[in-house]
Amino acid sequence: DGGITQSPKYLFRKEGQNVTLSCEQNLNHDAMYWYRQDPGQGLRLIYYSQIVNDFQKGDIAEGYSVSREKKESFPLTVTSAQKNPTAFYLCASRWGQGPYYGYTFGSGTRLTVV
Amino acid sequence: EDQVTQSPEALRLQEGESSSLNCSYTVSGLRGLFWYRQDPGKGPEFLFTLYSAGEEKEKERLKATLTKKESFLHITAPKPEDSATYLCAVPETGNQFYFGTGTSLTVIP
Repeated sequence: DGGITQSPKYLFRKEGQNVTLSCEQNLNHDAMYWYRQDPGQGLRLIYYSQIVNDFQKGDIAEGYSVSREKKESFPLTVTSAQKNPTAFYLCASRWGQGPYYGYTFGSGTRLTVV
Repeated sequence: EDQVTQSPEALRLQEGESSSLNCSYTVSGLRGLFWYRQDPGKGPEFLFTLYSAGEEKEKERLKATLTKKESFLHITAPKPEDSATYLCAVPETGNQFYFGTGTSLTVIP
């Protein structure tokens, strides 16, 4: 079955540590996205990529980095510069660009600072 | 500033008690409105897309409707398995969507 796989499901980060969240899709979608979800807030866009080797910052990119070396993969690194990283992170993809294509989401990674 | 607002924040219903969830938006030139269902600890799952005022779509006990300023998600005779958070989202002019904060629905047996 086609879909998006995020791993790990739970991740714990120590102060000053970088961690990488994995996102893999087998839907053959060009566009991939990373969103952050906090209680009481709507999903907020961190980064998105419309094509391999190209990506754009979203509304809250500070303290995060991404890469897009393969169409299927869009890993997110949460760096030590992100001061409040505890959140639920969602990876998503879309078949096309523009407003008419909805998202397919992964199952999420819950990141906690310890 | 474009906004998407959902109400109520939380809703508790008895099994079989019908109700509606609201999603109001202020984006100019609406190009579609999306409804998603999110179960705890999981990613949102697509439910409906509505593109024009007056449009309606149904899926089992759910019916989504759209006006020029808001959308409603009607839940008829809900069951406990309908308990989830329901999110709405509208595309903005670029390449992203505005998401509402969601309505957390609990259906009590």
